[in-house]
Amino acid sequence: GAVVSQHPSWVICKSGTSVKIECRSLDFQATTMFWYRQFPKQSLMLMATSNEGSKATYEQGVEKDKFLINHASLTLSTLTVTSAHPEDSSFYICSARDLATSGDNEQFFGPGTRLTVL
Amino acid sequence: QKEVEQNSGPLSVPEGAIASLNCTYSDRVSQSFFWYRQYSGKSPELIMSIYSNGDKEDGRFTAQLNKASQYVSLLIRDSQPSDSATYLCAVSLGSWGSYIPTFGRGTSLIVHP
Repeated sequence: GAVVSQHPSWVICKSGTSVKIECRSLDFQATTMFWYRQFPKQSLMLMATSNEGSKATYEQGVEKDKFLINHASLTLSTLTVTSAHPEDSSFYICSARDLATSGDNEQFFGPGTRLTVL
Repeated sequence: QKEVEQNSGPLSVPEGAIASLNCTYSDRVSQSFFWYRQYSGKSPELIMSIYSNGDKEDGRFTAQLNKASQYVSLLIRDSQPSDSATYLCAVSLGSWGSYIPTFGRGTSLIVHP
């Protein structure tokens, strides 16, 4: 199946700094990628839908100026958490669809990035 | 507000037993249903998808869908300790191309030797 990678796998930063997380589709092109956040023992919450070459679509309650999403190519989307605070500490997961080979309902998740803000 | 409800558990079963995981959803017009397995500290992986009423079997896994009662379940036969994980139910109004699924909080399954 298609492979999605994320980098870094974990990051620890000081409060007030910005952190960039990369999501790459390694062997397929993804016009759309999705960014999720998951707090401990909670469900996956969709943050935004990232569209190649256009602005991301954010879910209600997600601050677009705080969570900057850039989908510069068909294989790369980045999520930047700006001015991170301890409450932003979470597990961030991206996912993507392989339009060329997968059915409509096949979605591939990246391995996730654990963010800890001190 | 679309809701997907799961018992958080943990559900504890002995090795070799059948584990039964349940999920209910609020949006009656939902069309696509998914079960994901998530190990601690890892991202979810798709186990099963089901779209029609009835049962769908894949190896030791069977998904059951009842749209009239708005529930979907996952049965794991011959449970193994390696099945110990959190199982997420996801429900969508249609295909991924048009609709983003809503995830439940997951049920923690523990299979003890």
